[in-house]
Amino acid sequence: DGGITQSPKYLFRKEGQNVTLSCEQNLNHDAMYWYRQDPGQGLRLIYYSQIVNDFQKGDIAEGYSVSREKKESFPLTVTSAQKNPTAFYLCASRRQGATEAFFGQGTRLTVV
Amino acid sequence: AQSVSQHNHHVILSEAASLELGCNYSYGGTVNLFWYVQYPGQHLQLLLKYFSGDPLVKGIKGFEAEFIKSKFSFNLRKPSVQWSDTAEYFCAVNTPNTGNQFYFGTGTSLTVIP
Repeated sequence: DGGITQSPKYLFRKEGQNVTLSCEQNLNHDAMYWYRQDPGQGLRLIYYSQIVNDFQKGDIAEGYSVSREKKESFPLTVTSAQKNPTAFYLCASRRQGATEAFFGQGTRLTVV
Repeated sequence: AQSVSQHNHHVILSEAASLELGCNYSYGGTVNLFWYVQYPGQHLQLLLKYFSGDPLVKGIKGFEAEFIKSKFSFNLRKPSVQWSDTAEYFCAVNTPNTGNQFYFGTGTSLTVIP
């Protein structure tokens, strides 16, 4: 099936550890996005990438890092510098020339 | 950064009632506008979108939205809600001329009582 796959669905980590969230798409979309969803705050943009080997910071990039070595993959690393990492993380992609973005199922990260 | 405001945070309606959810955005340039829906336990799905043409757009499941440029608004409507419309609704703006980012509102939680 075509789509966006985020794994794992639930992730637990100890405070101070870096953790990488996976996002893979087989839709041949050019642009990919990472959002963080917190109750009452909606979706906030962390990073986005419009083409391979290029990415830009969103509104809340501090404490996060990304890479875009392949068109289909856009992993997000939550570093120990992120002060409040427990959240629901959503990955999205968009085809060049299209207007809408498609979303993955999300990863719920809990840092204890 | 652009801002998107959704005025209703929690809405509770009885089945068959009419729905209108407000959405305002701050960007004065070219925008594409969206409503996404997130049903309990499911991923975000596109409900409808506007990018040009008729400012009244129709989406899935009987939803519609009207783009009023002078008011920077894109309100979502449905004449008669069903229990299955219980979900969280997000308004979003895409700015194609400034990096193609998507900006989302804080969401509106809709509960429809049978």
